Amino acid sequence: GQSLEQPSEVTAVEGAIVQINCTYQTSGFYGLSWYQQHDGGAPTFLSYNALDGLEETGRFSSFLSRSDSYGYLLLQELQMKDSASYFCAVRGVDSNYQLIWGAGTKLIIKP
Amino acid sequence: EAQVTQNPRYLITVTGKKLTVTCSQNMNHEYMSWYRQDPGLGLRQIYYSMNVEVTDKGDVPEGYKVSRKEKRNFPLILESPSPNQTSLYFCASSSGTSGAYNEQFFGPGTRLTVL
Repeated sequence: GQSLEQPSEVTAVEGAIVQINCTYQTSGFYGLSWYQQHDGGAPTFLSYNALDGLEETGRFSSFLSRSDSYGYLLLQELQMKDSASYFCAVRGVDSNYQLIWGAGTKLIIKP
Repeated sequence: EAQVTQNPRYLITVTGKKLTVTCSQNMNHEYMSWYRQDPGLGLRQIYYSMNVEVTDKGDVPEGYKVSRKEKRNFPLILESPSPNQTSLYFCASSSGTSGAYNEQFFGPGTRLTVL
């Protein structure tokens, strides 16, 4: 089967750096995506790692290591507006055109 | 403005009363999908469509139907809703190019309550 695991909740301080991990068990996949969802809102796409390594987009970076079955989302210079849930997702080679989603990590930011 | 729209945004209904949630996108995307979101369970895919007249089951298709007669529309049909279908529903779309399936654009969501 295929599954992704994320911590259910992470707490950090405004201005700090936080890392949200995503570990997965799947026979193979095409890449790792990250989405952000504010309370009451829709998920919005943040990043996609097709290859191993680090992808940087402004204050957000995403990392993938296929050999370690591991990825993470790094948020720098945290702002209160970053308080949200963050989901990782993969499209497995065995899952046709479905995305398999993690259960999400709620990021709580304290002043 | 490029967007995915859903209607209605909120719906309270009773068990067994057929309902349809509409979804429309204006980005000429081939791929469209329906998800339900329940607390602690993340997003679970109900159905998806690779293109017009092509649909396939996701992880939790029981109790739902879809159709894709036009590229822009992908309605979700609950023939006989039950209380366990009370949930937050999202429609999403993405272009059909490789890798792009991973970048999905979501509608605002439909909060459905079945009494």
